[in-house]
Amino acid sequence: DGGITQSPKYLFRKEGQNVTLSCEQNLNHDAMYWYRQDPGQGLRLIYYSQIVNDFQKGDIAEGYSVSREKKESFPLTVTSAQKNPTAFYLCASSRDRKANEQYFGPGTRLTVT
Amino acid sequence: DAKTTQPPSMDCAEGRAANLPCNHSTISGNEYVYWYRQIHSQGPQYIIHGLKNNETNEMASLIITEDRKSSTLILPHATLRDTAVYYCIVSDFTSGTYKYIFGTGTRLKVLA
Repeated sequence: DGGITQSPKYLFRKEGQNVTLSCEQNLNHDAMYWYRQDPGQGLRLIYYSQIVNDFQKGDIAEGYSVSREKKESFPLTVTSAQKNPTAFYLCASSRDRKANEQYFGPGTRLTVT
Repeated sequence: DAKTTQPPSMDCAEGRAANLPCNHSTISGNEYVYWYRQIHSQGPQYIIHGLKNNETNEMASLIITEDRKSSTLILPHATLRDTAVYYCIVSDFTSGTYKYIFGTGTRLKVLA
């Protein structure tokens, strides 16, 4: 089955530690996205990548970093500089940067204490 | 800020049509209307999108007013599995701004 996988589903970390969230897609999509969702809120864009080895900041990039070394992978690192890292993180992909439909993964719920 | 306004919640009886409204009074000529839904603790799922004509697919119908300032998503025969948060989004993916701006959506509860 083609799709997007995110792992793990739940992640717990101590404050001050960096943590990397995995996102993999086998849809052969060029564009990939990372969103953050807080309770009762909509999604907010953290970073997006339109092509391998290229990515752009979204609306809330501070405290996060990404890489896009392979077409199928777009990992997100939550650094210790992110003041409120506890959230639900969603990865998505689309055929290309102008595609109308984004496919979302199941999400990773990160809790930092 | 989100460019759309939706009611925070709605109920619908199982088997009846669910009509979810969305206001987007500042929509520009190149912006499409998209609908996604999110079932609790899952990733959002694409439903449908349109520019100015009404659209229909296997999941839903999208009715856009002639002035494009509002739209309605119609689920023709709602089931319990349609209980979710529905997001209406406007965005122009042809202009170089390749992103959605999500609001808080409408929480639809389908009642047995």
